[in-house]
Amino acid sequence: DQQVKQNSPSLSVQEGRISILNCDYTNSMFDYFLWYKKYPAEGPTFLISISSIKDKNEDGRFTVFLNKSAKHLSLHIVPSQPGDSAVYFCAASADSGNTPLVFGKGTRLSVIA
Amino acid sequence: KAGVTQTPRYLIKTRGQQVTLSCSPISGHRSVSWYQQTPGQGLQFLFEYFSETQRNKGNFPGRFSGRQFSNSRSEMNVSTLELGDSALYLCASSLGFGGYSPLHFGNGTRLTVT
Repeated sequence: DQQVKQNSPSLSVQEGRISILNCDYTNSMFDYFLWYKKYPAEGPTFLISISSIKDKNEDGRFTVFLNKSAKHLSLHIVPSQPGDSAVYFCAASADSGNTPLVFGKGTRLSVIA
Repeated sequence: KAGVTQTPRYLIKTRGQQVTLSCSPISGHRSVSWYQQTPGQGLQFLFEYFSETQRNKGNFPGRFSGRQFSNSRSEMNVSTLELGDSALYLCASSLGFGGYSPLHFGNGTRLTVT
């Protein structure tokens, strides 16, 4: 049973426009959420996180929104740049961080110049 | 500061053999986690070690084992390799344990089982 779902395997966006990557989760015990970015032949790198006590967190061009009632979070990238082309993984943790991260399957973002 | 180092980068093994993968965490990081990435499956959690103790274990068969040494370096071992074990194995280190401490990943070991 997949607890973290990224239902769009891929997304294509024009440079300068907004990229919206979505993630749904089923475990109501999840209280901390993270996004990672992965380039080919490299390990994932941490991008941004959000605690369940917040509904929004911003870091430069990246904003994560959390809707607890819908068990849904999204990552917004504005404006999108060609260097943002990568696979993005959503991850979640429960029990105040005492459980390992559970990752989604990832969404491949292509930003077209 | 050097990042997480995984060796080797690539490995080709035959079914039935066993393999050992190595991970050196970022200096000062005491927690090491291992994940398996296969096409279309995302990252599947294998183990988490903190101060030489296994804190969490994922849903993998007993053929998969790991350990952590006093210098925080970690190894994972897969015995009696199967074709389905072909994957990218990622090691990550963090200052603390659990999800609140962001993981810093190495570039992985690509294992191919023939």
